[in-house]
Amino acid sequence: NAGVMQNPRHLVRRRGQEARLRCSPMKGHSHVYWYRQLPEEGLKFMVYLQKENIIDESGMPKERFSAEFPKEGPSILRIQQVVRGDSAAYFCASSLATGSYNEQFFGPGTRLTVL
Amino acid sequence: AQKVTQAQTEISVVEKEDVTLDCVYETRDTTYYLFWYKQPPSGELVFLIRRNSFDEQNEISGRYSWNFQKSTSSFNFTITASQVVDSAVYFCALSDPNYNTDKLIFGTGTRLQVFP
Repeated sequence: NAGVMQNPRHLVRRRGQEARLRCSPMKGHSHVYWYRQLPEEGLKFMVYLQKENIIDESGMPKERFSAEFPKEGPSILRIQQVVRGDSAAYFCASSLATGSYNEQFFGPGTRLTVL
Repeated sequence: AQKVTQAQTEISVVEKEDVTLDCVYETRDTTYYLFWYKQPPSGELVFLIRRNSFDEQNEISGRYSWNFQKSTSSFNFTITASQVVDSAVYFCALSDPNYNTDKLIFGTGTRLQVFP
């Protein structure tokens, strides 16, 4: 059973460009979480999605960031008009369900560098 | 509000020394989960342990052991006879499953360097 997959693993963008980060959850998992790790810091929750629904986006910046998890295909974290401060590692995690706690399995991360 | 504090930013030890990484958490809820993750230099997150708030038994797994004390809101992690391969950043995290989301609240991490 393949783990959580993220691509690309490394992404370089110039200021003002768009960044699209993809996350394919583990097979059978319908819950996806995105976290951001700024340099030398811990991970911070951004958004939690179930198939076709955003459940909790309390950690998402109000502008330029959006996330989706369509019925078919991977979850996408989209950053428009990137700035240098967006440079970070973005981790995706998936789980089977919520409620009586289901473990989150993390992907390898996408390292975004904004020049 | 929920919060996880890892006061030790960086720890350096020599191989074979024992080392304890501290984690203190804050939550108003009675049901919660605590975690430790390891992030080696390669950058991925490696799950080490999950503990629920009703289980205060200490746990040992090989050279790793965890001490959970609700009275002091601490969940400390000890590595016995450390090895160079233990060099990594270690994160403690808290999850509250009561609000239809299991998002994790991470501490800022402790960087452990083990020298030969």
